[in-house]
Amino acid sequence: DGGITQSPKYLFRKEGQNVTLSCEQNLNHDAMYWYRQDPGQGLRLIYYSQIVNDFQKGDIAEGYSVSREKKESFPLTVTSAQKNPTAFYLCASTQRGQANTGELFFGEGSRLTVL
Amino acid sequence: AQSVTQPDIHITVSEGASLELRCNYSYGATPYLFWYVQSPGQGLQLLLKYFSGDTLVQGIKGFEAEFKRSQSSFNLRKPSVHWSDAAEYFCAVVISGSARQLTFGSGTQLTVLP
Repeated sequence: DGGITQSPKYLFRKEGQNVTLSCEQNLNHDAMYWYRQDPGQGLRLIYYSQIVNDFQKGDIAEGYSVSREKKESFPLTVTSAQKNPTAFYLCASTQRGQANTGELFFGEGSRLTVL
Repeated sequence: AQSVTQPDIHITVSEGASLELRCNYSYGATPYLFWYVQSPGQGLQLLLKYFSGDTLVQGIKGFEAEFKRSQSSFNLRKPSVHWSDAAEYFCAVVISGSARQLTFGSGTQLTVLP
């Protein structure tokens, strides 16, 4: 079955460490996104990529980095510069034509806790 | 800037009762409108969408939503709630025709009593 796989589902990190969250999709989607979700808030866009080897900052990109070397993969690195990294992270994707319509397919998320 | 308001943080209904979740947006133009649902610890799933045309749209799982331009609203409804509908519901809008501009509301948590 096609879908979006995020790993790990749960991750614990000590302060000062970088961590990388994996996002892989086999939907043949062009566009991929990373969102951050905090309790009582909506989703906030971190980074997005419309095509391979290209990505754009979202609303809260500081302290995060991404790469898009393959169409299927869009890993997110949470760096030590991110001041409050404890959150639920969601990866999403869509076809390029649907990227203009907001219809996204989401992974099941990764919960990062900083100890 | 565009914004989405879901005024109800938490709603509790009994199984079998009707449901209405409110969503208001703030922008001059007609946006694309969405409702997404999130089960605990899961990603989001698209319930329904409105782009144009008939203002009453049908979605999955028996949900429907009505776009009211005069009220800048896109409320989600279901005639009879099932226990499996317990989840968090997010309204979202796209104004400028790009998913980059997808803006989510803060969500409404639905509890269903037996």
